[in-house]
Amino acid sequence: KNEVEQSPQNLTAQEGEFITINCSYSVGISALHWLQQHPGGGIVSLFMLSSGKKKHGRLIATINIQEKHSSLHITASHPRDSAVYICAVRRQGAQKLVFGQGTRLTINP
Amino acid sequence: NAGVTQTPKFQVLKTGQSMTLQCAQDMNHNSMYWYRQDPGMGLRLIYYSASEGTTDKGEVPNGYNVSRLNKREFSLRLESAAPSQTSVYFCASSEAFQGNRDQPQHFGDGTRLSIL
Repeated sequence: KNEVEQSPQNLTAQEGEFITINCSYSVGISALHWLQQHPGGGIVSLFMLSSGKKKHGRLIATINIQEKHSSLHITASHPRDSAVYICAVRRQGAQKLVFGQGTRLTINP
Repeated sequence: NAGVTQTPKFQVLKTGQSMTLQCAQDMNHNSMYWYRQDPGMGLRLIYYSASEGTTDKGEVPNGYNVSRLNKREFSLRLESAAPSQTSVYFCASSEAFQGNRDQPQHFGDGTRLSIL
């Protein structure tokens, strides 16, 4: 079993819908990252969080440390949000990130 | 501001050939990383360099070597390429991780490598 599991693996929605992508992990962590990989391949960091909630524009990330679970929400989704969203965790005391397999999101106009 | 620059963007090799993937960052970051990304799998760490002069193995180091040439540059070498090394390779950099104070990683655009 992977240390970091994302669901769903693929998600297709209509423009304007509220999107939720989930990430569960099985180890103690010091931080969780959400990243976005564009269709062209580039990867950008969206959020780092160790507790609570963060918001940037239409994106919201939450984390529940006790339940070892994080969610990434997109409000008023748009076709330009189509990308692969990747969750990664840093184990407590570790230098390295462990990545989930990614969730491929497609937003249709 | 270029960020993280990888060269080349595409490469096709024959089995047994060698090559070096180049990575340079202009953000004065201490830490640099090499990942590979394969279909259906998450990014997997090959090697990383926490600071200039140090390198450490990641999850999948076999068949690769690295050199942290200076603070800016971190290269990945395939000495004898194998078809199993066909993948997309990403270089990344970040500020040094200290205790519980995490830092975002900045990624290059990737190198698509095919081994025939």
